[in-house]
Amino acid sequence: AQSVTQLGSHVSVSEGALVLLRCNYSSSVPPYLFWYVQYPNQGLQLLLKYTTGATLVKGINGFEAEFKKSETSFHLTKPSAHMSDAAEYFCAVSENNFNKFYFGSGTKLNVKP
Amino acid sequence: GAGVSQSPSNKVTEKGKDVELRCDPISGHTALYWYRQSLGQGLEFLIYFQGNSAPDKSGLPSDRFSAERTGGSVSTLTIQRTQQEDSAVYLCASSLGGAGQETQYFGPGTRLLVL
Repeated sequence: AQSVTQLGSHVSVSEGALVLLRCNYSSSVPPYLFWYVQYPNQGLQLLLKYTTGATLVKGINGFEAEFKKSETSFHLTKPSAHMSDAAEYFCAVSENNFNKFYFGSGTKLNVKP
Repeated sequence: GAGVSQSPSNKVTEKGKDVELRCDPISGHTALYWYRQSLGQGLEFLIYFQGNSAPDKSGLPSDRFSAERTGGSVSTLTIQRTQQEDSAVYLCASSLGGAGQETQYFGPGTRLLVL
């Protein structure tokens, strides 16, 4: 079975600073990778995904992530944090049939003024 | 159109009682997923429906859990003889299904508390 590890259940950055949220997965087959965001009192929504093609993918709100097969990683970054980025972020993996998704335990991002 | 809706939004029940949680997916979405999110944990896959195919029930934690999807639309997750460890947020998601259509749209969840 797949597993997804998100290092750091809580990450705190200053407004304007780099955001780096880590995600590593275990997979014996090429995975499909996703980042979802959950804003306070809202449902999860897709931030970005990697399925095929370019390994650097861009998502909404200035976020991007890079699929690194050799490192089995899909870290999420944003050059400059904004207060509105405060939320919980979930990394997810699916295999090639999309019938099952494995989610990490989430990282809560706090942005300090 | 409307997003995924779930009801009730909150449910408090006594240990040993049965509960039913409802999910209304986005119209036209053939794939439907149920997840459980316990406090401080990630989303735990429970069950997956795709069209008229047999559901993937491999994530159901015990035989007290069951789910059905009527007419390829509304889904109900039933937990029989609830236990305190069943307390969690139960999330439903739907998608168009298949490669290129795999983005899941999540409902707001049902927060279940078993006393």
